[in-house]
Amino acid sequence: DARVTQTPRHKVTEMGQEVTMRCQPILGHNTVFWYRQTMMQGLELLAYFRNRAPLDDSGMPKDRFSAEMPDATLATLKIQPSEPRDSAVYFCASGLVAREGTEAFFGQGTRLTVV
Amino acid sequence: AQTVTQSQPEMSVQEAETVTLSCTYDTSESDYYLFWYKQPPSRQMILVIRQEAYKQQNATENRFSVNFQKAAKSFSLKISDSQLGDAAMYFCAYRSARRYRGSTLGRLYFGRGTQLTVWP
Repeated sequence: DARVTQTPRHKVTEMGQEVTMRCQPILGHNTVFWYRQTMMQGLELLAYFRNRAPLDDSGMPKDRFSAEMPDATLATLKIQPSEPRDSAVYFCASGLVAREGTEAFFGQGTRLTVV
Repeated sequence: AQTVTQSQPEMSVQEAETVTLSCTYDTSESDYYLFWYKQPPSRQMILVIRQEAYKQQNATENRFSVNFQKAAKSFSLKISDSQLGDAAMYFCAYRSARRYRGSTLGRLYFGRGTQLTVWP
C-alpha cells in the first residue's frame, strides 16, 4: 500500500526550539511538496522539489525555515527557532512527473503546536 | 497568482439527499486542472475528483460529479445520495497546466474550504 509517510504526527514544542518534520515520499516519486494549513491562511505552498532539487520555495520564510531532500526517500522541513505563529498542520505530498496527468498524493500531516 | 473562492464555509445535508458545493476561481490561463479534495477529521487529504479545463464533459466519480462552467470560472461539486462518511471539509483547488521544467505537476492553489455536515 503505497503512501506518503510523515513523522511525527503531532509535535508540541516550546518557542525557540528547533523542529524537524520528516516526509517519506512514495517510492519512485520524484516531486515533493510541502504545504502548511492554518485557520488564518488556509492551505499554502511552502516549497517543492523535483529530483531532490528545490523548484520553488518562495512561500517559505527564509529566516527560520529550511527544506531539504538528503536523499530520494526523505524530505525534511526544519524550523529554527520556532514561534507560536508556526503552529499549523504541515503536509507533505509526492508525485511522479514521468507520468502525464499524474497527481500528488498527500501524507497525513504533522500537527505542530508551539507554546 | 490564481485565486480560488469557496463562498460557503458550511453546508449540511440529510443522508441520502443531494448537496452542491460551490467554487469559483480567477485565472488568465486557458489550460489548467481543477480538483475537489476531501479532508475528514483524520486530516488526510483525499482527491475526490479532477477536471481538465480543455474537456467540455463534466467529470464524474460514482456519487460525485462536477458542473464545470469555464466561461463563468465556476466549478461546483455535487454529491448525490449523501452518506454519513461524506462528512468532511471539502477543498476546491486549481493547478496550472503550464509546463515548468518539462512537467505540469506543479503547485495547487486551494480555496478556504466548505465544512459539510451530513445528518442521519
